[in-house]
Amino acid sequence: DQQVKQNSPSLSVQEGRISILNCDYTNSMFDYFLWYKKYPAEGPTFLISISSIKDKNEDGRFTVFLNKSAKHLSLHIVPSQPGDSAVYFCAARGGYNQGGKLIFGQGTELSVKP
Amino acid sequence: NAGVTQTPKFRILKIGQSMTLQCTQDMNHNYMYWYRQDPGMGLKLIYYSVGAGITDKGEVPNGYNVSRSTTEDFPLRLELAAPSQTSVYFCASSSSTGELFFGEGSRLTVL
Repeated sequence: DQQVKQNSPSLSVQEGRISILNCDYTNSMFDYFLWYKKYPAEGPTFLISISSIKDKNEDGRFTVFLNKSAKHLSLHIVPSQPGDSAVYFCAARGGYNQGGKLIFGQGTELSVKP
Repeated sequence: NAGVTQTPKFRILKIGQSMTLQCTQDMNHNYMYWYRQDPGMGLKLIYYSVGAGITDKGEVPNGYNVSRSTTEDFPLRLELAAPSQTSVYFCASSSSTGELFFGEGSRLTVL
């Protein structure tokens, strides 16, 4: 039972254009959502997050949108840069009383072409 | 600025052997986690701990054991290695409400 799903295993965009990575979830009890970025042979690093009480959070070139009714979130990267090429994981937290553990999606590999 | 440190980075085991993956963090985080990453499967939670002396199972605990005797350390034990445990293992830590900080990973191959 995959509670957090990233249905696109890969995405390729041109440098300077927008990258949109999508994530769907099934558990309405998730209260916090995060995006992590992972380069080969490294651990995932935190990118941006959003609380379930918000619908948008921005940090520089990165914006996360949350649509609770659709149980969908997306990460927008504008403009995309070659250094953004990595695997992106979305993750959801089950609530403070769940030990803070995160449930991760399968990941989307982003390739930004110069 | 060590953060989360995992050892070893690479290991090859024979079926039936045992080993321990070490994890230590210097951020005084209460919460620690072990995840495994398999190709196309994302990160799956093996075990987690909300503080010293407290551990709990995640999504895929079978074949693994953990202990948490100190705040800093959270070792993961494989008792009887099986080929299905070939994976990349990540240890992570967090404060009670913050994001997870990950180690660099330990690549384990069981032959």
